[in-house]
Amino acid sequence: DAGITQSPRYKITETGRQVTLMCHQTWSHSYMFWYRQDLGHGLRLIYYSAAADITDKGEVPDGYVVSRSKTENFPLTLESATRSQTSVYFCASSPQGSEQYFGPGTRLTVT
Amino acid sequence: AQSVTQLDSHVSVSEGTPVLLRCNYSSSYSPSLFWYVQHPNKGLQLLLKYTSATTLVKGINGFEAEFKKSETSFHLTKPSAHMSDAAEYFCVVSDRDGGSQGNLIFGKGTKLSVKP
Repeated sequence: DAGITQSPRYKITETGRQVTLMCHQTWSHSYMFWYRQDLGHGLRLIYYSAAADITDKGEVPDGYVVSRSKTENFPLTLESATRSQTSVYFCASSPQGSEQYFGPGTRLTVT
Repeated sequence: AQSVTQLDSHVSVSEGTPVLLRCNYSSSYSPSLFWYVQHPNKGLQLLLKYTSATTLVKGINGFEAEFKKSETSFHLTKPSAHMSDAAEYFCVVSDRDGGSQGNLIFGKGTKLSVKP
């Protein structure tokens, strides 16, 4: 029972590089979400998806791109990484858009 | 707009004593409310949720929370703290409006320390 997994767990990249964070869930939940967690800001929603091929912006979408071609996967891409995108990224899923179940997180450092 | 305020950024208790983590919310309709816990370097785990069925909600690990509409509060309690309860706790309200997807609005978090 894998639940929701994220990869990689840790990533160091350079400014300007493209990086993709992966999220996979085995519950067939309709909704999936990406958050970033930063000191002083708590968790902030980047993007979310209500179903395959349906995505929408959250609070802080600039600099990020998402796709959802399959229900179980929701990758997050930083097209040109910046130092301000150094953060811990959490993926979550939800069966009905109510309570959410979180992955273990990806710690991203942009140098 | 929905919002949530956690009244204490840090709470420290002794092992075996009661825990009280305070949360006030603002919502224009009957809200869905949650408490999540995050242990160091871990993801967030759902402790409990309120969805209007009962005002006193029991969660995992002996935690419970009471929904008080008149006070717009949803405080988290536990009768006796354990060392393993040391973590950060987030009070969360669901952004569920007529046209919304039910996104979650997170409080800033309360860090709970438990002294031996």
